[in-house]
Amino acid sequence: EIVLTQSPGTLSLSPGERATLSCRASQSVNSGYLTWYQQKPGQAPRLLIYGTSIRATGVPDRFTGSGSGTDFTLTINRLEPEDFAVYYCQQYASSYTFGQGTKLEIK
Amino acid sequence: QVQLQESGPGLVKPSETLWLTCTVSTGSISNYYWSWIRQPPGKGLEWIGYVYYNGDTNYNPSLKTRVTIVVDTSNNQFSLKLNSVTAADTAVYYCARDVWYKSGSSWVFNGMDVWGQGTAVTVSS
Repeated sequence: EIVLTQSPGTLSLSPGERATLSCRASQSVNSGYLTWYQQKPGQAPRLLIYGTSIRATGVPDRFTGSGSGTDFTLTINRLEPEDFAVYYCQQYASSYTFGQGTKLEIK
Repeated sequence: QVQLQESGPGLVKPSETLWLTCTVSTGSISNYYWSWIRQPPGKGLEWIGYVYYNGDTNYNPSLKTRVTIVVDTSNNQFSLKLNSVTAADTAVYYCARDVWYKSGSSWVFNGMDVWGQGTAVTVSS
């Protein structure tokens, strides 16, 4: 089973700043099967990015996914108030696993 | 726009069996994979398993011995059965649609694009 480790656990930033979230895999991941989700309190997760870098429908272009192999990154430019949430990466390799999440909070 | 709705008991006794159902509305259950995911209070997401509309399944290895997921295409529903529950199974349970399609000889994954609102399950006597 591939383990995904996200860092940092919590990221404190101000609106307008750039956020860089990391997702590291215990072994190489097919980049076509690396996905990012956003979750706000009391809500279900929302699909943000699939195939490492493809934005889902309706996702603003300030969200950018990148990476390959074992290292993947979600970058959020010009943070908006609604971007403060928990972000999870996910991979598929015979079964799905999620990272433990990064909480993006307002500084 | 496809919508998913989980249903089932909010309270289950230890050692008993948990049954949850996800109803797919405003869309067909056919040609998609359908997953169950759970989230213990204050913790992260854990994938439980998925079912394809033809009945094929795949489960999280850590839960495989206790989990069964079945699909009912006639009612546009799929269900989760979790045996021998303990307090560690207390969580919000989500159902979701997994978008996979075949491109040539390869499979392409477009993420879990539709989620239910989640249903809270507590395991307690």
